[in-house]
Amino acid sequence: DTGVSQDPRHKITKRGQNVTFRCDPISEHNRLYWYRQTLGQGPEFLTYFQNEAQLEKSRLLSDRFSAERPKGSFSTLEIQRTEQGDSAMYLCASSDLGNEQFFGPGTRLTVL
Amino acid sequence: GQQVMQIPQYQHVQEGEDFTTYCNSSTTLSNIQWYKQRPGGHPVFLIQLVKSGEVKKQKRLTFQFGEAKKNSSLHITATQTTDVGTYFCAGPLRSGGSNYKLTFGKGTLLTVNP
Repeated sequence: DTGVSQDPRHKITKRGQNVTFRCDPISEHNRLYWYRQTLGQGPEFLTYFQNEAQLEKSRLLSDRFSAERPKGSFSTLEIQRTEQGDSAMYLCASSDLGNEQFFGPGTRLTVL
Repeated sequence: GQQVMQIPQYQHVQEGEDFTTYCNSSTTLSNIQWYKQRPGGHPVFLIQLVKSGEVKKQKRLTFQFGEAKKNSSLHITATQTTDVGTYFCAGPLRSGGSNYKLTFGKGTLLTVNP
């Protein structure tokens, strides 16, 4: 399967712990996006990379959130000091020169 | 703030009936995209509309982009059980944002009774 992959698929953590998610985009896609989705809502933009450069970050993203794409391939999203309000599905997507975004299966985070 | 709105939030139809979902943006869009998310799945790209007044068809699905490029619609003719899912519109709301930062509507959840 050469689609977007995400790991882990599910994460349960206690409030205050740090968590890190990984996204492997479709190879040769130079753009990578992170979204958050809660029940009954559409995906909410978090941040976007073009190659290794983080070009845009949502104002909704607190300083507890950080994302990297060190070699312009896979990306990680870290949440520090998790809160119950962080519970959501975290989606990664990638795209090439066009606007069509290919989504991964997501990581479902539950903060207890 | 800038947003993309979709109606209805839910739609339940009998198999064979038609279905339409509407999308409205608070600002003019350079393009609008439609995605489908099956229950338990992830969003899957359906189509992108770019031109004012554009109409595109994919089998039983018809997509329209308004003349003012602020609204769009998706119409499904003769729904089937395989059409079940949530349909999202998404567009790049500018004001400093890039063309790749998409704002999604809340989606329309379609259920089909066989």
